[in-house]
Amino acid sequence: GAVVSQHPSWVICKSGTSVKIECRSLDFQATTMFWYRQFPKQSLMLMATSNEGSKATYEQGVEKDKFLINHASLTLSTLTVTSAHPEDSSFYICSARRLQGADYEQYFGPGTRLTVT
Amino acid sequence: GIQVEQSPPDLILQEGANSTLRCNFSDSVNNLQWFHQNPWGQLINLFYIPSGTKQNGRLSATTVATERYSLLYISSSQTTDSGVYFCAVGVDYKLSFGAGTTVTVRA
Repeated sequence: GAVVSQHPSWVICKSGTSVKIECRSLDFQATTMFWYRQFPKQSLMLMATSNEGSKATYEQGVEKDKFLINHASLTLSTLTVTSAHPEDSSFYICSARRLQGADYEQYFGPGTRLTVT
Repeated sequence: GIQVEQSPPDLILQEGANSTLRCNFSDSVNNLQWFHQNPWGQLINLFYIPSGTKQNGRLSATTVATERYSLLYISSSQTTDSGVYFCAVGVDYKLSFGAGTTVTVRA
């Protein structure tokens, strides 16, 4: 159990366009989902936390107008990178926490590799 | 925020060897997880261990919360154990990741 999927696995887009990434919890309901960013050979950095039905909480330095997060249901969160530029190229990973979980364990999706040309 | 230091940064092992990875953190936490990131980028949950000791096959982990460190033990290493091992700690849901330990197991 505790499987998280992401779609697409990889995407290439042109500078100035927008890209939407989906994160789904497949076999559990997620009260909270998280979005991370990972540059090559580096660690994961938390971008934002989203709770179903409410506005996302962004980490310091993350532009909320550029990285739009929607958590429309207990199994789906989306991240939209608006007006993407080459510096937005990165590996984006989501995670989720169980609704019925008694602990704080997070389960991670397989990631989406974004390349902006 | 909480500072997380992992050591060593790189580890090269011969197949069959044992190893210990360390994670030090700067503040009290109630959330600590160990992950293995495979070559495709997927983070595999190894342990959720804010305190105590757990074992799963050839892997085990110990967290001494009062002394702010956690250890991950790999026994009888296999080539499939290669990859980056991350420790992530936090208070409640917010996780801070260490820089990782890159493990290479040679046949």
